[in-house]
Amino acid sequence: QSVLTQPPSVSGAPGQKVTISCTGSSSNIGAGFDVHWYQQFPGSAPRLLLFGNNNRPSGVPDRFSGSKSGTSASLAISGLQPEDEADYYCQSYDTNLSANWVFGGGTKLTVL
Amino acid sequence: QITLKESGPTLVKPTQTLTLTCTFSGFSLNTGGVSVGWIRQPPGKALEWIAVVYWNNDKRYSTSLKSRLSISQDTSKNQVVLTMTNMDPVDTATYFCAHEAVTSDNAFDFWGRGTMVTVSS
Repeated sequence: QSVLTQPPSVSGAPGQKVTISCTGSSSNIGAGFDVHWYQQFPGSAPRLLLFGNNNRPSGVPDRFSGSKSGTSASLAISGLQPEDEADYYCQSYDTNLSANWVFGGGTKLTVL
Repeated sequence: QITLKESGPTLVKPTQTLTLTCTFSGFSLNTGGVSVGWIRQPPGKALEWIAVVYWNNDKRYSTSLKSRLSISQDTSKNQVVLTMTNMDPVDTATYFCAHEAVTSDNAFDFWGRGTMVTVSS
């Protein structure tokens, strides 16, 4: 059971917009800690997609954007492309005893 | 450019101790605000943060694994070593090391390819 909750899967057609939610609590996202997002293709290492809630590293298209409100955060992908099909993970910091850094359970994005 | 590479055994027996090495280049762990973390991923499952060592040699561990973990750095060799005692089949996973920096709001911005560790007798 992950500290941060993500939907197991989302899907969308090419060109559409999809959002992936990341729900936390008052000990992590709700405490004001930043949320980061990663993209992972099968058999590969995760790639940083967004840091500090909505900042894109160099090379990440502006089709990817993030937001945070209260105890939740969201990743939005607009203009969906077939190559966006991957697993997506959110990450934040948690002040409970369970861990320092925590990840979401991951969301599989399928491009129809 | 920043690169990281994990190395270690691919197979360990239950109760044995696992030692993994992360060899990196393109940055120094003597630089303020820089750290190296370990993250693992069981087959078909989610990422799990394990440990991190900071530029000032501060170390943090996942509470659920803390009693079994030790992380250390060798700045002269640009290496970070993770040891995990009393290995169990549930520890079977791909183990990643990653660079973390305040310039990326402490996100893991560069990752190694990972090394798969199987725990089996």
